[in-house]
Amino acid sequence: TQLLEQSPQFLSIQEGENLTVYCNSSSVFSSLQWYRQEPGEGPVLLVTVVTGGEVKKLKRLTFQFGDARKDSSLHITAAQPGDTGLYLCAGANTGNQFYFGTGTSLTVIP
Amino acid sequence: DAGITQSPRHKVTETGTPVTLRCHQTENHRYMYWYRQDPGHGLRLIHYSYGVKDTDKGEVSDGYSVSRSKTEDFLLTLESATSSQTSVYFCAIRPGGGVYGYTFGSGTRLTVV
Repeated sequence: TQLLEQSPQFLSIQEGENLTVYCNSSSVFSSLQWYRQEPGEGPVLLVTVVTGGEVKKLKRLTFQFGDARKDSSLHITAAQPGDTGLYLCAGANTGNQFYFGTGTSLTVIP
Repeated sequence: DAGITQSPRHKVTETGTPVTLRCHQTENHRYMYWYRQDPGHGLRLIHYSYGVKDTDKGEVSDGYSVSRSKTEDFLLTLESATSSQTSVYFCAIRPGGGVYGYTFGSGTRLTVV
């Protein structure tokens, strides 16, 4: 069962541009995580958000958890080629099992 | 990080043969997971373990079995490989449940011909 929809599926932008990717569901999550995956490697955890409305910043990356805890967004300011990768969101149900979205593949062109 | 390693990294096998993938961790984490990653499906949970000899099924467990005889090792076995099991397999570990994040291995690319 695919509970999490991510958009856009693919995104190609120029270095220096800003972007936002979205993670949406009809289910309520107890917490939500964002990962970045580079080709040939496993996903790496970027952040965990727990409280509805919570905003977390990691350098140029800003993560927000929706007020109703059904959705989340990731905003990148002044994208760099090093930001290239597959961004995955993962939401936890009440049983603390995480379900992963299908990902947004980001390419930042120098 | 060398805290979690998967072997082999690549494998080609024939339909109908058994295949075992190994996950080894040096973090002494309680929870270990096997996921498969396919285009359009994201990461899907196959099996997980919450302790030695304690395992449970995930959403795509048919055709797979697991074993965990030691804290550090979690084995995934494809009993009789099929072409639909061609995928990239990831092992992951977590120190506990709740909000703990996953640490993933580098993956095993399995091709069933």
